[in-house]
Amino acid sequence: DAGVTQSPTHLIKTRGQQVTLRCSPKSGHDTVSWYQQALGQGPQFIFQYYEEEERQRGNFPDRFSGHQFPNYSSELNVNALLLGDSALYLCASSKPRTGGDSEQYFGPGTRLTVT
Amino acid sequence: GQQVMQIPQYQHVQEGEDFTTYCNSSTTLSNIQWYKQRPGGHPVFLIQLVKSGEVKKQKRLTFQFGEAKKNSSLHITATQTTDVGTYFCIYNQGGKLIFGQGTELSVKP
Repeated sequence: DAGVTQSPTHLIKTRGQQVTLRCSPKSGHDTVSWYQQALGQGPQFIFQYYEEEERQRGNFPDRFSGHQFPNYSSELNVNALLLGDSALYLCASSKPRTGGDSEQYFGPGTRLTVT
Repeated sequence: GQQVMQIPQYQHVQEGEDFTTYCNSSTTLSNIQWYKQRPGGHPVFLIQLVKSGEVKKQKRLTFQFGEAKKNSSLHITATQTTDVGTYFCIYNQGGKLIFGQGTELSVKP
């Protein structure tokens, strides 16, 4: 049973460019969340997708957008990249909602460097 | 929004010593989750606490949720080098994990 997978592992982009990161959730999971982790900091919640819709959003600008596909995989898009967007981007998946707050399984992350 | 403060930010111990990290909130929390992130790795779920005064153990790790559900602690007995990493106490707000700074533990062999 594969866990959460993310691609690519590493990425180098230039300021102003756009980037797309991808995530496949753990088998049986339908909810995908994205986090940004700057060096030495805890992860910051970007947004969460469930049933192909954005359900919750953190304090990130509209340059950050996402999508969830019918197979529950997800993409994170960042437009007009800034140097400050350099970080580890983590995807996490969780089980179908039962009314509780289930644990989240994190992928290995995508290390984005903006130069 | 909910804020969870964690102390200390860093802890350096000799292998075999005990370690404790504390988590506090100004408001009552419906749950606390603990995650561990190894250097260069990703967060891994350890445990969830939901009941007032709850205590759970995992081998050398003891997790506690305060009676008022405003604080929590993680205690590691007789640390080993494999315990190295950052421990996060987190409030799960309907699927949105609110991370603090975490406590970075280093263990000297």
